This record gives sequence, C-alpha cells and structure tokens, in this order.
Amino acid sequence: DVKVTQSSRYLVKRTGEKVFLECVQDMDHENMFWYRQDPGLGLRLIYFSYDVKMKEKGDIPEGYSVSREKKERFSLILESASTNQTSMYLCASSYRQFEAFFGQGTRLTVV
Amino acid sequence: QKEVEQDPGPLSVPEGAIVSLNCTYSNSAFQYFMWYRQYSRKGPELLMYTYSSGNKEDGRFTAQVDKSSKYISLFIRDSQPSDSATYLCAYGGTSYGKLTFGQGTILTVHP
Repeated sequence: DVKVTQSSRYLVKRTGEKVFLECVQDMDHENMFWYRQDPGLGLRLIYFSYDVKMKEKGDIPEGYSVSREKKERFSLILESASTNQTSMYLCASSYRQFEAFFGQGTRLTVV
Repeated sequence: QKEVEQDPGPLSVPEGAIVSLNCTYSNSAFQYFMWYRQYSRKGPELLMYTYSSGNKEDGRFTAQVDKSSKYISLFIRDSQPSDSATYLCAYGGTSYGKLTFGQGTILTVHP
C-alpha cells in the first residue's frame, strides 16, 4: 500500500512563528503536492514538486514556501504564521495523471 | 469563477436512496475526471475516474462525464450508512498530476 505520512495530526502555533509541516511518501513517486482544505472552498493547491529541488507555485502560494531535498520528502514552510493560515493541510503524492495519494492531514491552528 | 463548481450540500438521505452528486467545470483542456471520497479525519481517496466523456460503473457507483455541457456526475445506488463522507470531484491530466478540486459535498446516509 502507498503510504503518505504527515508528521503531525494537530498543531497549535503562535502568530509570527515559523512553522514546518513535513510529509514523507514511500512509493518513489515523482510528484508531490501540498493542499489546504477549508469548509466551502474545497482543496486548494499551495505548491507542488515534480522532482527533487524542483517546485512550482499552485493557486495560493502567498505566505508559504516549500523544500524538496530528497525524493521522498516534501516540506511546507509558513515563514511567519498568521491566523488566516489556520486550516487543514493535506500532502499528496502521485505517479499518474489522475490518482493522488493523500496523507491523513495536519490540522493547524494559529493563535 | 472557480474552475470546478460543486453542489455544496450538505446532503442527507435515507438508507437505500439513490444519490446524485454533481459538478460543472470550466477548463476544457483536461481529460481525466475523478471522484474522491473523504471520511471524517482522513485524507481523500480516489473512488473513481473517467477518461474523456462517457460513463463508468463500479458496483453501486456510476461516474458520468458530459464534455459538451462540462458536467460531472456521481450516482450512488442503494446508498449505505458507510457511504457517509465528503465527496470531491476533480479534474486533471497534466504530466505532473496536478488536480483541481471542487468544494466537496458532505453526504450523510441515515439508517
């Protein structure tokens, strides 16, 4: 079974903190993604990566950055957390055009 | 206008009912149309996908795509309480596996 593991299920951080969300996949997939999920807005793509050290902005990259130093690991960084970044964050990996495998999500609360 | 618009729901039906979930999309370039199912406190999982127009059936589930009207549908026959989840339509087709999701519809099937 494909496994995508996110480092935390729940996080509470203070405004202005630098936050790291980590994601690891075990299936040697080329593509990895970070989405955020908010009620009424669905999943929105923040950043994706199609190879080590390669990254592309998604639909809502402002306030975020990413790092992919190894193929299996994709990190999302909130440089200075703000309350409007309180959300569910979902990491995914894929090797086909239609199937993404998701982690269990990290619910981040910024206070 | 969002690229994918999904009927917002929520939807509550009795066990055994036929459920119809619907989306419209705006970008004609993509060829893969998908339905993901997300149980509470879990990441989304691929339920079904369709390539281009047409129908696809898998047990109690039927996915339908009409490219002429840019309409995506999912039908669930003989709905069960275990079908209670959030259903997300999506489309894609780039080599990077980037997907665009609808807002999601929360479905509750009560015994």
